[in-house]
Amino acid sequence: SQQGEEDPQALSIQEGENATMNCSYKTSINNLQWYRQNSGRGLVHLILIRSNEREKHSGRLRVTLDTSKKSSSLLITASRAADTASYFCATDAGGSWGKLQFGAGTQVVVTP
Amino acid sequence: GAGVSQTPSNKVTEKGKYVELRCDPISGHTALYWYRQSLGQGPEFLIYFQGTGAADDSGLPNDRFFAVRPEGSVSTLKIQRTERGDSAVYLCASSFTMGANTEAFFGQGTRLTVV
Repeated sequence: SQQGEEDPQALSIQEGENATMNCSYKTSINNLQWYRQNSGRGLVHLILIRSNEREKHSGRLRVTLDTSKKSSSLLITASRAADTASYFCATDAGGSWGKLQFGAGTQVVVTP
Repeated sequence: GAGVSQTPSNKVTEKGKYVELRCDPISGHTALYWYRQSLGQGPEFLIYFQGTGAADDSGLPNDRFFAVRPEGSVSTLKIQRTERGDSAVYLCASSFTMGANTEAFFGQGTRLTVV
């Protein structure tokens, strides 16, 4: 079973626009992580936000976490064609440290 | 090595055959994880190791699947009597330690196709 669910399933934008995707989860967590995947192969870690944090930035990425709503969002500002990828959120399902649970992902296409 | 290495990158096998998938974690990483990803889905947890021992193997789908990490470094995922439903990308990850707020680094995966 998958803990996280991303929304939307797919997103198509033009270069320079912002891309926002959301993740909802079901159980309590220690942290939530966002990953990017190109062409269905290796996952690249983007950012980790702890359960006691509300917002985190890394370059053009901004992640928010609302534990009361069990949701997170990932914002990519000033998108580039190279941002085209699938984006996944993953949670540790409340203390099961080695067992990340992923959603089905948001497929983002950025057109020049 | 610089990153997590998985071999082979692609594997085609006939139904009923036995396969082994290898994972070389980042040097010094004590925790190692295996995930499986089907087309259009997110990765699904299979098993993770802390050192040589399997700390949690609750994600292994059945007894045809087995994984080892005898020296606490390289790991091998073994699948017996493969079925077409085993076709997927098998991802390995490692982390320096295991615990809350630990970042896992993934390899490029092995795409297994059972024909």
